[in-house]
Amino acid sequence: RKEVEQDPGPFNVPEGATVAFNCTYSNSASQSFFWYRQDCRKEPKLLMSVYSSGNEDGRFTAQLNRASQYISLLIRDSKLSDSATYLCVGLYGQNFVFGPGTRLSVLP
Amino acid sequence: EAGVVQSPRYKIIEKKQPVAFWCNPISGHNTLYWYLQNLGQGPELLIRYENEEAVDDSQLPKDRFSAERLKGVDSTLKIQPAELGDSAVYLCASSLDLYSPLHFGNGTRLTVT
Repeated sequence: RKEVEQDPGPFNVPEGATVAFNCTYSNSASQSFFWYRQDCRKEPKLLMSVYSSGNEDGRFTAQLNRASQYISLLIRDSKLSDSATYLCVGLYGQNFVFGPGTRLSVLP
Repeated sequence: EAGVVQSPRYKIIEKKQPVAFWCNPISGHNTLYWYLQNLGQGPELLIRYENEEAVDDSQLPKDRFSAERLKGVDSTLKIQPAELGDSAVYLCASSLDLYSPLHFGNGTRLTVT
């Protein structure tokens, strides 16, 4: 079993929709989690860190559930520009471990 | 601030040839990473440096891959000889310290024919 798992999608949603991605992790020792966004043929870019208390940045909300060992990302009022692959990342010891990513397509 | 710089952007070589990738991290970032990314997969760590020391190279295929970061700043990743299965995107990333988020360069897309 991989350390970080994600539903690969694709998630096809209409503009304005709310979409949620989940990410599960197997190692409870992970200290920190992040969401990265990767556009097609581009490098991953940090979207947001994930805090135990949950955090929000505009239309994006990240939650961490340590008891169930999953992380979620909620995107409200989806824009066409949100179309990308979203990578869940866990920090294990001193290494960042990436999930395979979930592909989102926001349709007009 | 200037981001992580990688070169070349693209490289096409024949199998059994050598190839080298270069990375210059963000100024002041002590930690440097080389990742490999295959299509449809997340990045996978090859090697991590703290200054000039390779502190984790457990995933680096040492029979053909080598890396260096001689002065604790820029880094080179080499493959010799390249195999067809090495075709992938090679990403360099840096961070301020071990627990800070990663900042990636735009990667080198390698095609081995």
